[in-house]
Amino acid sequence: NAGVMQNPRHLVRRRGQEARLRCSPMKGHSHVYWYRQLPEEGLKFMVYLQKENIIDESGMPKERFSAEFPKEGPSILRIQQVVRGDSAAYFCASSRGQPRVYEQYFGPGTRLTVT
Amino acid sequence: DAKTTQPNSMESNEEEPVHLPCNHSTISGTDYIHWYRQLPSQGPEYVIHGLTSNVNNRMASLAIAEDRKSSTLILHRATLRDAAVYYCILLSGNTPLVFGKGTRLSVIA
Repeated sequence: NAGVMQNPRHLVRRRGQEARLRCSPMKGHSHVYWYRQLPEEGLKFMVYLQKENIIDESGMPKERFSAEFPKEGPSILRIQQVVRGDSAAYFCASSRGQPRVYEQYFGPGTRLTVT
Repeated sequence: DAKTTQPNSMESNEEEPVHLPCNHSTISGTDYIHWYRQLPSQGPEYVIHGLTSNVNNRMASLAIAEDRKSSTLILHRATLRDAAVYYCILLSGNTPLVFGKGTRLSVIA
C-alpha cells in the first residue's frame, strides 16, 4: 500500500505566479489535511477536506489560497499570485476517518521557493 | 492556549529506554491522546495514540495515567534514528492536529 504521495517535491515560482500542489492520499483514505511549515517555525494546520467537502479551513489565509479534493483525482492546494512569504514546506496528510480517532499519515512534502 | 505541556528537550543514550512525558491536565473525557514525531528535514510521522488504556505498537508504548491528566511515550530502545521532535497532541471531534513546540529528543551513540 503506497503512502501519501505529494508532487512536485520541489517547486520554484516567481512572485506573482501560481503554485499548484498535489496530494494523493493513501488507498482507502477519504480525509485529507494540508499543513504548512515556514522556515524555522512549527507546523501549522491549513485545511481539512473530505471528498468534495471542506470540513475546516480555519488555518487557510483568507486570500490567494484555496484547496479542493474532488471525487476523482488528487487533492490540490492552489496559491495564486505567490509572494516571498509563501516560501515554505507544505505537507499533506490523510486518514481513514475523523482525526480524533484515526491516525494521520503524512506525505514527504512540497518545498515551495518563491523568488 | 496550549492544551499539553512537554519538556523542551531530552537526551538519551543509544539502546536505552526513553520516557517522554506529557501533561494535559484539562483533558476532556472524549479527547484522544496522539503522538507524532518529526525527524530532521522530513514530514511528521504518526507514532501512537490512545484514549484511556495503555497502548503498544511496533514503534512505542503509550502509558496513560489513571486520571488521564498525563501520559508518557516510551521508546523501549532508542536508536539514532529516533532523534526527532516529539509532539503530544489532544484531539476531540473534528479538530485538526495542532503542533506545539514538542520535545526535541537527542540520542547519543
